Amino acid sequence: DAGVIQSPRHEVTEMGQEVTLRCKPISGHDYLFWYRQTMMRGLELLIYFNNNVPIDDSGMPEDRFSAKMPNASFSTLKIQPSEPRDSAVYFCASSSGGFYNEQFFGPGTRLTVL
Amino acid sequence: GQQLNQSPQSMFIQEGEDVSMNCTSSSIFNTWLWYKQEPGEGPVLLIALYKAGELTSNGRLTAQFGITRKDSFLNISASIPSDVGIYFCAGRGDVYTGANSKLTFGKGITLSVRP
Repeated sequence: DAGVIQSPRHEVTEMGQEVTLRCKPISGHDYLFWYRQTMMRGLELLIYFNNNVPIDDSGMPEDRFSAKMPNASFSTLKIQPSEPRDSAVYFCASSSGGFYNEQFFGPGTRLTVL
Repeated sequence: GQQLNQSPQSMFIQEGEDVSMNCTSSSIFNTWLWYKQEPGEGPVLLIALYKAGELTSNGRLTAQFGITRKDSFLNISASIPSDVGIYFCAGRGDVYTGANSKLTFGKGITLSVRP
């Protein structure tokens, strides 16, 4: 069975550009989470969805960040405009049957903003 | 916000040795989780703990939920080269209190195993 799929795996962009990260959760999972990992702050939850509906976006750092989940098999995290401090690894995770059930993480997207 | 403390940042051990890691918090948690992250991959859940004092094993890994509910420990016995990776602890507060119900992660300990 396929796990969580994220694309691209690596993204290098220049400051001010728009960046879109993509995630396909495990089929049948009804929760989707976006995390950001940095050396300074570790792993932080940005936003999560339940049944395609955003439930808690309190971790989204600024209005430059937005996330959507148009259907059960696809989500995007967009940064516009990007800044060097947004450089990090962004993970998508999904879970099934409840918020407190095991989350399965994707391989991550390493974003570098020059 | 809540923070979990893991130290040291890095550990270097010889193959075959046992290693212990701990994770501490200033807040009480009702769930403790231990994850392993390998290069280029996302974290993978190793062990979940749900009750103070609980001791749970997964192969050569053993984790304990501290009695105070402010700490947890992970032990790896007879280490092998594939144990290399970053080990994260994560905690979750009262599942009935929305503000605390999200996972809080430690910054991780990078484990290196010398053959």
